[in-house]
Amino acid sequence: DVKVTQSSRYLVKRTGEKVFLECVQDMDHENMFWYRQDPGLGLRLIYFSYDVKMKEKGDIPEGYSVSREKKERFSLILESASTNQTSMYLCASSLGGATYEQYFGPGTRLTVT
Amino acid sequence: TQLLEQSPQFLSIQEGENLTVYCNSSSVFSSLQWYRQEPGEGPVLLVTVVTGGEVKKLKRLTFQFGDARKDSSLHITAAQPGDTGLYLCAGEGTTDKLIFGTGTRLQVFP
Repeated sequence: DVKVTQSSRYLVKRTGEKVFLECVQDMDHENMFWYRQDPGLGLRLIYFSYDVKMKEKGDIPEGYSVSREKKERFSLILESASTNQTSMYLCASSLGGATYEQYFGPGTRLTVT
Repeated sequence: TQLLEQSPQFLSIQEGENLTVYCNSSSVFSSLQWYRQEPGEGPVLLVTVVTGGEVKKLKRLTFQFGDARKDSSLHITAAQPGDTGLYLCAGEGTTDKLIFGTGTRLQVFP
């Protein structure tokens, strides 16, 4: 059973704080993804990684960075949190490209005040 | 930019009713996936369709990929409260990434 875990379910941060969201998968998947989910907008890809130390920008990378030092772990960093980054953040992993099933974590609901 | 529009955005029905959710685009997709997301959880894959005109059934759920591979539909027969959730379609984009639809939130009342 594939398991993707995220470090926090709920997080409240202040504007300007540095925020770390961590994601761990236990299935040796090559690809990992960070999405944000907002009502009426579906899931939007922030960054993805297809290998250790590799990263690619998604559709909305501004204000975010990522780190993948180990295959099973993919971190999303908000260098200076802003209120418009209040959202649900979902991490996912997959064995391959876009035709492969993506396995999602439960999400982190981040509120920036 | 490839976009996937889902309709309706919200659907609230009684147990036993039938419903159809639509996923439309002006772009062609190589394949299309449907996910269901329950409250407090991440999306879970229901099905992948890859051939234009393809129909797949999963118990009471019927998925269809349009002939031109620009649209898809999900039909649920005799909906149950356990079907409640957010339904998301996702297409394989030109850059080998998934493009997610805007979502349809379904509530089935007993």
